[in-house]
Amino acid sequence: KAGVTQTPRYLIKTRGQQVTLSCSPISGHRSVSWYQQTPGQGLQFLFEYFSETQRNKGNFPGRFSGRQFSNSRSEMNVSTLELGDSALYLCASSPNSGTGVNEQFFGPGTRLTVL
Amino acid sequence: SQQGEEDPQALSIQEGENATMNCSYKTSINNLQWYRQNSGRGLVHLILIRSNEREKHSGRLRVTLDTSKKSSSLLITASRAADTASYFCAKGNTGFQKLVFGTGTRLLVSP
Repeated sequence: KAGVTQTPRYLIKTRGQQVTLSCSPISGHRSVSWYQQTPGQGLQFLFEYFSETQRNKGNFPGRFSGRQFSNSRSEMNVSTLELGDSALYLCASSPNSGTGVNEQFFGPGTRLTVL
Repeated sequence: SQQGEEDPQALSIQEGENATMNCSYKTSINNLQWYRQNSGRGLVHLILIRSNEREKHSGRLRVTLDTSKKSSSLLITASRAADTASYFCAKGNTGFQKLVFGTGTRLLVSP
C-alpha cells in the first residue's frame, strides 16, 4: 500500500495570506489527524477527522480549520497567516474506527514558512 | 501543551552501545507509543505498549511501562549509525486518535 502523502512538501507564504494543505491517507484508513511541529512547542495535535466529521480538536485558534472528504482525503486551512505559523505540518492516518488509540502512520509533512 | 517529558534531551553514543531514553507523563493513559523522526521528516511508529503491559520487544527495541510511576523507557540495543534520529513518546487515551507527544530525545550514534 502507498503511504500517507502530503502536498505540497514546501510552501512559502507571507503574513496575512491563507494556505491549504492536503493529505491523502493510506487506502482503507478512515481517520486522519493533523499535527503542528515547531522547535518551541514541539508536536501539537490540531484535529482529527473520521468519516468526514471532526471528532477532536486541539487548542488552536479558529484560523486553523480542516475538513475530510468522502474518500478520506483531508485538507487543513490556515487563514490570516502569522509568523508563528511557520512549522512542519504532519498528517497521520489510522484505520481505527472506534475507541482506543492505535498506531498512526505519518506522512512526510509540509514545511510552511511564513515571511 | 505536551504532557510527556523525555530525558535526556540529547544522547550521544558510539555504535554498538545501548541507548536508553525515558518518558514521564502526568495523567492516566490507555497506551503509550514511541515514534522515531529523522531530521525533520515524518514520524515512524516503533512500538505501542498498553497500560496493562509492562514490557514489550521489537527487534533491538525494548519498551517498559510503569504506570505507578507514570513513566516509560525505550532501550535500543547494539545501536547503529542509522539509529541517529529524534525519538518521541506519545500518550494515547481512549476516545479518539489524539496523541500527546513528549519533548523528544535527540540520539546521535557515531560510527
